[in-house]
Amino acid sequence: KNQVEQSPQSLIILEGKNCTLQCNYTVSPFSNLRWYKQDTGRGPVSLTIMTFSENTKSNGRYTATLDADTKQSSLHITASQLSDSASYICVVTKGVYKYIFGTGTRLKVLA
Amino acid sequence: DTAVSQTPKYLVTQMGNDKSIKCEQNLGHDTMYWYKQDSKKFLKIMFSYNNKELIINETVPNRFSPKSPDKAHLNLHINSLELGDSAVYFCASSQDVGTETQYFGPGTRLLVL
Repeated sequence: KNQVEQSPQSLIILEGKNCTLQCNYTVSPFSNLRWYKQDTGRGPVSLTIMTFSENTKSNGRYTATLDADTKQSSLHITASQLSDSASYICVVTKGVYKYIFGTGTRLKVLA
Repeated sequence: DTAVSQTPKYLVTQMGNDKSIKCEQNLGHDTMYWYKQDSKKFLKIMFSYNNKELIINETVPNRFSPKSPDKAHLNLHINSLELGDSAVYFCASSQDVGTETQYFGPGTRLLVL
């Protein structure tokens, strides 16, 4: 069954701290993996897109990793800021047109 | 400048009514999408058009009908609205399918009473 599981479901950290969000998938055939950030009341914003051959991709303080062998991805946030408070969604593309969404991780950064 | 815009932002209507949501993108993209986000914040793709041609048509009730008059517009018409249709509907666009970045609109919050 094609699934995308994210953990933790929610996370609270202090401003300035680092954190790592996990995404495990069982999707096949794998095409690419995306991480989105969604602020409350807004549409998702793309952070990274990684294909099978890419291990790491960075976007500012956000660094995504991909292990296609173990079918795991992580999103690392460095030196968190209050504005990082949002939901983070992992999406795996199966083939060309099939998008499998994770249930998201809700991150709260406290001052 | 607004890249992907949707109208209306909020829509409150009675069960059984027919309503439309409009989406426009000024990014010059060839591909547009409709997503539904339910009350548990779970996103699910509904439709996608590439160069005005339907390429993704997920398991969605046939009460939902997308229409793409041109590459910059993708509208969603919903017939006989039901309580379960209450959700946030997002439009998105990308240059092409595949590994292209998708840009999302602000969403339309639909409440069916």
